[in-house]
Amino acid sequence: GENVEQHPSTLSVQEGDSAVIKCTYSDSASNYFPWYKQELGKRPQLIIDIRSNVGEKKDQRIAVTLNKTAKHFSLHITETQPEDSAVYFCAAIPGGTSYGKLTFGQGTILTVHP
Amino acid sequence: SAVISQKPSRDICQRGTSLTIQCQVDSQVTMMFWYRQQPGQSLTLIATANQGSEATYESGFVIDKFPISRPNLTFSTLTVSNMSPEDSSIYLCSVGRINGEKLFFGSGTQLSVL
Repeated sequence: GENVEQHPSTLSVQEGDSAVIKCTYSDSASNYFPWYKQELGKRPQLIIDIRSNVGEKKDQRIAVTLNKTAKHFSLHITETQPEDSAVYFCAAIPGGTSYGKLTFGQGTILTVHP
Repeated sequence: SAVISQKPSRDICQRGTSLTIQCQVDSQVTMMFWYRQQPGQSLTLIATANQGSEATYESGFVIDKFPISRPNLTFSTLTVSNMSPEDSSIYLCSVGRINGEKLFFGSGTQLSVL
């Protein structure tokens, strides 16, 4: 089955700096890669996603890049703000008929210091 | 995105008892899933709730322990049976429309088993 590794497990930055979280996956047939943000005590929220036919996608301060050859994808947050502090999860949907069967990374605790 | 209501939001239960969690969506969705998030951990897929047929369980999860119903395209239940303290987790339903992508999560049920 799919295996998703996420690094780092914790990340601490100063407000205004950039933050990068990286994930690798094992199933070369995986074709969809979402990122979720989970604030304490709340549900995971989809913040950005990318499909395997695209190398990069951007939404305001958030961007995701995908390298299919190397089987890794990354989340980039620019101009970080304290409200970006949360746990971030990457995920992948394996290829074939595994519709909706997200395999999650271990999560990254991002802390943005004012 | 769909509005996903989950009940109860939290519960404290005694060992050996069972709890049924409800997930209601404000519109018809193709796919519904149940995930578990153990304390401080990532999310793990329990099963796919299939409308009108038995759920499809992931490795490590069985129907006797986690019976699931999905009587229509907007509602599903997950029962956690014969609970033990190891079942203490957040249980989340998630829904998706197209090919299982863009999954959105319910508000979650925080379960504590004493």
